[in-house]
Amino acid sequence: DSGVTQTPKHLITATGQRVTLRCSPRSGDLSVYWYQQSLDQGLQFLIQYYNGEERAKGNILERFSAQQFPDLHSELNLSSLELGDSALYFCASSVALPPRGTGELFFGEGSRLTVL
Amino acid sequence: QQPVQSPQAVILREGEDAVINCSSSKALYSVHWYRQKHGEAPVFLMILLKGGEQKGHEKISASFNEKKQQSSLYLTASQLSYSGTYFCGTPQVGAGSYQLTFGKGTKLSVIP
Repeated sequence: DSGVTQTPKHLITATGQRVTLRCSPRSGDLSVYWYQQSLDQGLQFLIQYYNGEERAKGNILERFSAQQFPDLHSELNLSSLELGDSALYFCASSVALPPRGTGELFFGEGSRLTVL
Repeated sequence: QQPVQSPQAVILREGEDAVINCSSSKALYSVHWYRQKHGEAPVFLMILLKGGEQKGHEKISASFNEKKQQSSLYLTASQLSYSGTYFCGTPQVGAGSYQLTFGKGTKLSVIP
């Protein structure tokens, strides 16, 4: 158990719909990261938040948005869903960024999204 | 820039050794290695921080060559529990930002 909690674990929805994935980081971790994992693409970095602020952005679609709240939990919102958005979405957290820390990421169990 | 891993997949018998390579077209200052077992989340194995430094985890070790911009993961005397997909990750660090980009992974299957 990494200490990172993600809900829901599974989600099935239809094209065009909107979903929200939730992540609670490990106690004390200020950084939250979102990754998308689909079969052929490995782990794709989406976005990083640090203490409520967006700090790094990867290949995140405009239809996707995220935020980190004052209690440090984070939500990833996916809208106008397409079949290709079906994937496993991981949240990860880290206690400290380099050079103070190693930047080791602790991953949650993931939210599996299926778009029909 | 996504690091490139090779091989894409490897099958080993218990007790055999394997090497997984990770290379980048950009300068590397550190390399992370993670393992993801089927149906589970990725788990951190080790980080290589200095050129040539070797770290170990169980019977898994790694090396990092800054000049060649590559890292290698060595699995010796493999066990069934080593099965999974291994990812290398290369970080981009900015002012308060941290982006770990992973390779596509190497699927390792250890059979009895």
